[in-house]
Amino acid sequence: KAGVTQTPRYLIKTRGQQVTLSCSPISGHRSVSWYQQTPGQGLQFLFEYFSETQRNKGNFPGRFSGRQFSNSRSEMNVSTLELGDSALYLCASSLGLAGSRSYEQYFGPGTRLTVT
Amino acid sequence: QKEVEQDPGPLSVPEGAIVSLNCTYSNSAFQYFMWYRQYSRKGPELLMYTYSSGNKEDGRFTAQVDKSSKYISLFIRDSQPSDSATYLCAMKSPGNTPLVFGKGTRLSVIA
Repeated sequence: KAGVTQTPRYLIKTRGQQVTLSCSPISGHRSVSWYQQTPGQGLQFLFEYFSETQRNKGNFPGRFSGRQFSNSRSEMNVSTLELGDSALYLCASSLGLAGSRSYEQYFGPGTRLTVT
Repeated sequence: QKEVEQDPGPLSVPEGAIVSLNCTYSNSAFQYFMWYRQYSRKGPELLMYTYSSGNKEDGRFTAQVDKSSKYISLFIRDSQPSDSATYLCAMKSPGNTPLVFGKGTRLSVIA
């Protein structure tokens, strides 16, 4: 079974620009979660999508948004980039069903975003 | 106070040593306790999972949860250079709630 894929793997953007990151979950997984990882803050939850609906949201400003398509693929968008948005953005997929092993998340390799 | 506290290390041990990694937490609603391992330039992968209190063993790895003290541990026996990675604890409340991660502890096992 193919793992979680994320594109692009590396990205360099300028302050004020916007960026879109893509995530393809494991086949059959309906939940996709996004995380931001930085050396100072660690792994922080951004949001989770399940069946095209946002199910959970972390404590990030509205510049961070996401969506999920009918095939479970997900995108996240960051508008008006700031220097502090430089981070590794990870997506993780899981079955997402009630009573399932929702703790068992499978992570992609991440997208390394650098904002200059 | 952060929900989950984890010493970032780095921790450096000789090959064959017993490694102890720990996390404390403040949210008594957490029922699921996980350890993820993250190699350099890779995403985290689930290593161990424990529900509520108790111990769980898997090969050289043992996970312990003490809910009364809000303290979880991961022990690695006979550590190997291939164990060199960042270890992240993660916790979750019941229902459709997100995982909450510690900052991770960087471990180096020296041959």
